[in-house]
Amino acid sequence: AQKITQTQPGMFVQEKEAVTLDCTYDTSDPSYGLFWYKQPSSGEMIFLIYQGSYDQQNATEGRYSLNFQKARKSANLVISASQLGDSAMYFCAMRDSSYKLIFGSGTRLLVRP
Amino acid sequence: EAGVTQSPTHLIKTRGQQATLRCSPISGHTSVYWYQQALGLGLQFLLWYDEGEERNRGNFPPRFSGRQFPNYSSELNVNALELEDSALYLCASSLGSVGDTEAFFGQGTRLTVV
Repeated sequence: AQKITQTQPGMFVQEKEAVTLDCTYDTSDPSYGLFWYKQPSSGEMIFLIYQGSYDQQNATEGRYSLNFQKARKSANLVISASQLGDSAMYFCAMRDSSYKLIFGSGTRLLVRP
Repeated sequence: EAGVTQSPTHLIKTRGQQATLRCSPISGHTSVYWYQQALGLGLQFLLWYDEGEERNRGNFPPRFSGRQFPNYSSELNVNALELEDSALYLCASSLGSVGDTEAFFGQGTRLTVV
C-alpha cells in the first residue's frame, strides 16, 4: 500500500540558510510521482516541485530542489537561502499507478530573522 | 487563466444537516480530488473523480459522497453532519490520471459544524 512519512513535525531555520525537509515513501509500484506542496497560514496548497520515479536527475525549481534517493525511498526537499516568506507547512505527496494522490502529515517550517 | 475555484469559502451547519461543497477545476483538467484537512492535521484523501466517474475513495463513511459533472466540475456532499466533520475541505484538479502531472488546489471550503 502507498504510504508517505514525514518525521519532522516542526523545523527551524535561520534566514538565508538552507534547510532539508525529510520525506520517505513506500509503494510497490515501479512508476510513481513525488510532489512537494507548501501551505501558508492562509490555507491554500501551492505546488513546489515534482520528481518522477524514472527521472535520472534530481528535480530543481529555483530555490527548491528534491534530493531523490530511490533505493532508500526518500524524496527530501531542500530549500536554499531561506526567506521569511518560506515559513509554512510543507507536505510531501505521492501518486502511483493507483492514481490516488496521498500526502504525508506535513512539516511546519519556521524561518527566523 | 482561472485556477481551481471552490465555493463557498466558509460554511456553517448544524449537526445532522447536509452540506454541499463545489469545485470548478482548471479548464482542460479532467481529474478532481477531494481532501479533508482537520485543524492542524494533514490532508486525508476523500474522493477522486476522473472523466465523470468515481475512481477511488478514501476511508470515509458513505455519508461522504460526490459527483463530477460533464463539464468536470464536482460536488462533495456530506450527509448527517457530525461535529468532527468540521475541517478545511480542499479540492484539486489535474490534467488527467497520469502520474506525472501535478495537482493544483483551490483555496478550500472551511466547514464548521455546530
